Amino acid sequence: ETGVTQTPRHLVMGMTNKKSLKCEQHLGHNAMYWYKQSAKKPLELMFVYSLEERVENNSVPSRFSPECPNSSHLFLHLHTLQPEDSALYLCASSRRQGAEKLFFGSGTQLSVL
Amino acid sequence: GQSLEQPSEVTAVEGAIVQINCTYQTSGFYGLSWYQQHDGGAPTFLSYNALDGLEETGRFSSFLSRSDSYGYLLLQELQMKDSASYFCAVRPSNQGGKLIFGQGTELSVKP
Repeated sequence: ETGVTQTPRHLVMGMTNKKSLKCEQHLGHNAMYWYKQSAKKPLELMFVYSLEERVENNSVPSRFSPECPNSSHLFLHLHTLQPEDSALYLCASSRRQGAEKLFFGSGTQLSVL
Repeated sequence: GQSLEQPSEVTAVEGAIVQINCTYQTSGFYGLSWYQQHDGGAPTFLSYNALDGLEETGRFSSFLSRSDSYGYLLLQELQMKDSASYFCAVRPSNQGGKLIFGQGTELSVKP
C-alpha cells in the first residue's frame, strides 16, 4: 500500500457519459498530481495541485476537469471523452510540489467506447 | 525540449545482474529518479541521484553521470519478483518542478 487510493479501478464509459475519478491520500502531503499512462508511452503529467491550488495545467483538453476540495482529495471529472482517451489514469502525491519522491495510486483503467 | 531514452525490453535470468540505461537530453535538471511498476500496480519510488556517482540500496543501485547525460539502474541477484517496468525520470530546472518520465523498460526475469 502506497497510502494513495484511487477509485474506481476500472471504468468503461461511452463518449457521451460523464464520470469522475477519485483519489485520496492518507500521507499528509501538500501536492497532488494526475498522470496519464498509455501503452508504450511515458507517463504524461496532466495537472498539479499544491495546497489545493492548481499550479500546472499541461495543455489538457477541457473534457478533463480536475477538482481538489482539500489537500487529501483529488478528482478528475470526465465528459464527452474520445476513444483515444482510453488509458490508465494515475494519481500521485508528494510532501511538497517539486519533491523527488512521488507516491502513486494503482490507477483507474479507463476505456472509452 | 527534454526527452529520456530507455530500452523498451530487457530479459535476464534469476540470480543474474542487469543494467537498465537511461540517456537524456535536457539542459539542466535537479536529479535522476527511478520508479518500479508491476503489472496492474502503482509506480513506486526506487532511488534518486542528485549528484554524480553510485547510490546503493540493497540489491538495487543507481548511477548518474551529468557530463555524459547518462544514468543507469543496476539490479543484482535478480529474483522473479523483479519482473516489472522500470522508469527513469528527471525534473528539469526550467519547468517549475515538473517530473519528466522515460517510456519505461519492461524487465522479464526467467527461471
